[in-house]
Amino acid sequence: TQLLEQSPQFLSIQEGENLTVYCNSSSVFSSLQWYRQEPGEGPVLLVTVVTGGEVKKLKRLTFQFGDARKDSSLHITAAQPGDTGLYLCAGGGGSGNTGKLIFGQGTTLQVKP
Amino acid sequence: DAGVTQSPTHLIKTRGQQVTLRCSPISGHKSVSWYQQVLGQGPQFIFQYYEKEERGRGNFPDRFSARQFPNYSSELNVNALLLGDSALYLCASSLPTANYGYTFGSGTRLTVV
Repeated sequence: TQLLEQSPQFLSIQEGENLTVYCNSSSVFSSLQWYRQEPGEGPVLLVTVVTGGEVKKLKRLTFQFGDARKDSSLHITAAQPGDTGLYLCAGGGGSGNTGKLIFGQGTTLQVKP
Repeated sequence: DAGVTQSPTHLIKTRGQQVTLRCSPISGHKSVSWYQQVLGQGPQFIFQYYEKEERGRGNFPDRFSARQFPNYSSELNVNALLLGDSALYLCASSLPTANYGYTFGSGTRLTVV
């Protein structure tokens, strides 16, 4: 069974602080995706990484895919209240499937002004 | 372009009843997937359909079924509802593989009483 473990599960920080969310698995994925979800809405795709060691930047957000394609991290620099939400990592294309995403349990981020 | 649309947005059903949820994918997307998200957890994969054929099924009982129509819209049916079926049901559309990332609808909030 493929699992993705996210940590931490909850994070409450002050505006301007930096933070990192981790996503780990013992399984290899062909892609790792990060989503952000607001209450009552569906997840919104932030980024897809597909190459081991790949780093992508999206303004203040930096995403990294591990060399072995089993783990990923999301780093936010100078967090703002608008970054508040549920962050989900999801692995795609693991062994035995092509369309199924395996989601982590999510990290709830609260950024206080 | 319209995003992924789901209907209804909210639904209250009694234990033992049956429910049908509907989803229209983004134009040009032939793959539709269904996920169940229980409060406080990440989404769990239920089904994926591509070109009207089932491509994958998650670990859900036979009470859950789905189909995809020639226009690529999809329905998820759940029979003999249980209290534990209460959740946000998300539909996502994508290009053929999960590596391209999914576009999720806002979901149907199902409450079973």
